[in-house]
Amino acid sequence: DAGVIQSPRHEVTEMGQEVTLRCKPISGHNSLFWYRQTMMRGLELLIYFNNNVPIDDSGMPEDRFSAKMPNASFSTLKIQPSEPRDSAVYFCASSFNLLSTDTQYFGPGTRLTVL
Amino acid sequence: DAKTTQPNSMESNEEEPVHLPCNHSTISGTDYIHWYRQLPSQGPEYVIHGLTSNVNNRMASLAIAEDRKSSTLILHRATLRDAAVYYCILRDSGKPWDFRDDKIIFGKGTRLHILP
Repeated sequence: DAGVIQSPRHEVTEMGQEVTLRCKPISGHNSLFWYRQTMMRGLELLIYFNNNVPIDDSGMPEDRFSAKMPNASFSTLKIQPSEPRDSAVYFCASSFNLLSTDTQYFGPGTRLTVL
Repeated sequence: DAKTTQPNSMESNEEEPVHLPCNHSTISGTDYIHWYRQLPSQGPEYVIHGLTSNVNNRMASLAIAEDRKSSTLILHRATLRDAAVYYCILRDSGKPWDFRDDKIIFGKGTRLHILP
């Protein structure tokens, strides 16, 4: 398996623009997670899905952030409008299920810079 | 979930064993101890996990204290490629992840430097 795939790997945009990050989880995994990593706050969980359904989005910082999972093999995280403070590395991860013993497999991340 | 305490950073020489400690004095009887690591410019990756007994896999060994209030991740022969941030986290066994009270799943971890 190719592992979790994220695109783009790097994104540079200007404040106010819409940004869409994409993720393809490992085939057969039922759970998908979006994280954000910054130096100040470390790795924060933003939202997670199980069987394509959002379970908890309380980690999403503001209404400017939204995430969808239209099918088992694709998810997007959208920021509209983007702001400089959104600059971070965004990771997508997947796991077989939501059990706490299920290993999470992370993608390579998308480094977002908002100017 | 119970919290863990790890040193901010450690150094080790290449080809020597490395012992990374983790304290979890408030661990409950059903908490699994998980270790992940994050290599530079990569996402975290799973290393190992255990409940009570010591565990070995191809990457590392996990030594769990008898009272389970601490554990040690052991890299038997460190290489330069093992330089990473190592995270020790606890998760209640068999229960779904409950993220509502704990959005920062991975804390600061231990930054391991390997000296050639």
